[in-house]
Amino acid sequence: TQLLEQSPQFLSIQEGENLTVYCNSSSVFSSLQWYRQEPGEGPVLLVTVVTGGEVKKLKRLTFQFGDARKDSSLHITAAQPGDTGLYLCAGSALRAGNMLTFGGGTRLMVKP
Amino acid sequence: NAGVTQTPKFQVLKTGQSMTLQCAQDMNHEYMSWYRQDPGMGLRLIHYSVGAGITDQGEVPNGYNVSRSTTEDFPLRLLSAAPSQTSVYFCASSYNGRGSGNTIYFGEGSWLTVV
Repeated sequence: TQLLEQSPQFLSIQEGENLTVYCNSSSVFSSLQWYRQEPGEGPVLLVTVVTGGEVKKLKRLTFQFGDARKDSSLHITAAQPGDTGLYLCAGSALRAGNMLTFGGGTRLMVKP
Repeated sequence: NAGVTQTPKFQVLKTGQSMTLQCAQDMNHEYMSWYRQDPGMGLRLIHYSVGAGITDQGEVPNGYNVSRSTTEDFPLRLLSAAPSQTSVYFCASSYNGRGSGNTIYFGEGSWLTVV
């Protein structure tokens, strides 16, 4: 079982639709990061959230860290084909020397 | 800017063969790590290093060895490859290993197939 559970695993939507990706855990994290990965490349950091209840916006992307710092969500407004990719959440916790633990990822496809 | 460089990009091994995946970073980062990525599993930490001469095990260390003789290099060795080690491997580095306040830089990945 994974420490971080992401849902949904796959999402296929039409351009212009809104979507939300969830990242849940029973563990508390000191911080949580969201990455986006394109085929043939390594993950690229989108955002880091640190404080419980924190909300960060990156253009059409809104990230929220749960009050208890156990979960997070990524909301995309008016999705575009360029948003297509694999979205990964990763938590930093005391285990494993504070190295990151990744969720299983959400593969998003936005059709024109 | 080179960032994190991994070689080789692609490799096919026979069961029982050994090989080394190379990783180098030019950002003078103390923390380096190796992950493997399998479908639906995200990235799982294999080994990590908090500085030259110091290494530790991650979530899935069995079958892999690492060493950190210099700040720049962090090779990953497969001593006797098994089909279960077929995966995409990513090397990463950061100023320190914590997610908070630090950007972790990933290499482009090494695709390994063990037949």
